[in-house]
Amino acid sequence: DIQMAQSPSTLSASVGDRVTITCRASQSISSWLAWYQQKPGKAPKLLIYQASNLESGVPSRFSGSGSGTEFTLTISSLQPDDFATYYCQHYNGYFFSFGPGTKVDIK
Amino acid sequence: EVQLLESGGGFIQPGGSLRPSCAASGFTFSTYAMSWVRQAPGKGLEWVSAISGSGDATYYADSVKGRFTISRDNSRNMVYLQLNSLRAEDTAVYYCAKGRLTWGSGGSFDLWGQGTLVTVSS
Repeated sequence: DIQMAQSPSTLSASVGDRVTITCRASQSISSWLAWYQQKPGKAPKLLIYQASNLESGVPSRFSGSGSGTEFTLTISSLQPDDFATYYCQHYNGYFFSFGPGTKVDIK
Repeated sequence: EVQLLESGGGFIQPGGSLRPSCAASGFTFSTYAMSWVRQAPGKGLEWVSAISGSGDATYYADSVKGRFTISRDNSRNMVYLQLNSLRAEDTAVYYCAKGRLTWGSGGSFDLWGQGTLVTVSS
């Protein structure tokens, strides 16, 4: 099975900072990767699909890049609403695998 | 309104059974694959099971294979997850989620319910 890893596990940042989260797959997954944001007590929210496509309604400060085994989620200017946990997810047919998550908290 | 609404969670003893359900509205339910994803307290997300739009294909994570059964009723816009032989490690919030695309598994999940808590304890 393909395993997903994320780094860092926790990230402390300030409003206005540029933030980058990395997701690595144990083998090539082409661009079959999504990113989700989850706030405490809430369901996850889709941000990015197919590695770099912004989901409708998601602010343009979020962007995704990468292919193969290494992917990044970038928040160009962190806003107060962005403090949350972020998960990457590999999907291929009916196989789904989530990364362990990256918590973005206030510095 | 486009939404998913789970219900049917609760407190159950080890070895018991439970059947969470998920009511869908606001989209053509039968054209989308549906999944269940769970999250243990303080932990990350774990995909549990998926079912095709027609309901003729089902898929499970190894951790629940043989114990959980996913089903759907397209006439009622409902998806279910039968949980049998429950263990303490099955304790989690169970979310239903909709595939983004109308073909195959739908890829990523673009719509999630609010979740229903299943607690397995003696």
